[in-house]
Amino acid sequence: AAGVIQSPRHLIKEKRETATLKCYPIPRHDTVYWYQQGPGQDPQFLISFYEKMQSDKGSIPDRFSAQQFSDYHSELNMSSLELGDSALYFCASSLLGIVYGNTIYFGEGSWLTVV
Amino acid sequence: DAKTTQPPSMDCAEGRAANLPCNHSTISGNEYVYWYRQIHSQGPQYIIHGLKNNETNEMASLIITEDRKSSTLILPHATLRDTAVYYCIVRPANSNSGYALNFGKGTSLLVTP
Repeated sequence: AAGVIQSPRHLIKEKRETATLKCYPIPRHDTVYWYQQGPGQDPQFLISFYEKMQSDKGSIPDRFSAQQFSDYHSELNMSSLELGDSALYFCASSLLGIVYGNTIYFGEGSWLTVV
Repeated sequence: DAKTTQPPSMDCAEGRAANLPCNHSTISGNEYVYWYRQIHSQGPQYIIHGLKNNETNEMASLIITEDRKSSTLILPHATLRDTAVYYCIVRPANSNSGYALNFGKGTSLLVTP
């Protein structure tokens, strides 16, 4: 079965640069979620989109922005990168409207290293 | 504020059942109990979820107490590949918005030979 696809899998950027991560949800899924997981930390929710509109917001820094496009893929844009932004970034997707919960499925993540 | 409480770590011998407890004493009537696991640096993997009835799938069983204040995830025959951090998460199943999963500390399960 098709899974959540994230790209790139690894990214190295310098401080103050900008990075963009892409996420392609499971086909027919209409909701995407972004998570950040720092070294030794648990995944932290950043932001989510449903039908191209922001649906929920977590601890996303103001330097970060995201959007969901008409084909339901999503991009996370991170500007003015700081060393502390080095983390594993997960995208996840789900299909709303299913009565028995709407299970969220995760991609394998994108490693961002800021040097 | 944490909505679930799990032991930080557990050990289990390979081939034995692993029983992972979770306390969610403040759970609301419309909240499901979800279990995910994360094998080192991989994406969290969905295991099972339930509302009030016990559930079973090919991976595990979920036992929810009658008052819904706690639950237990059971891996019937643990293997070395089950070594992971297991997260118990409560989450509304309201279909009007995409409620995200809020990960707590989880239980680090070590399966030993």
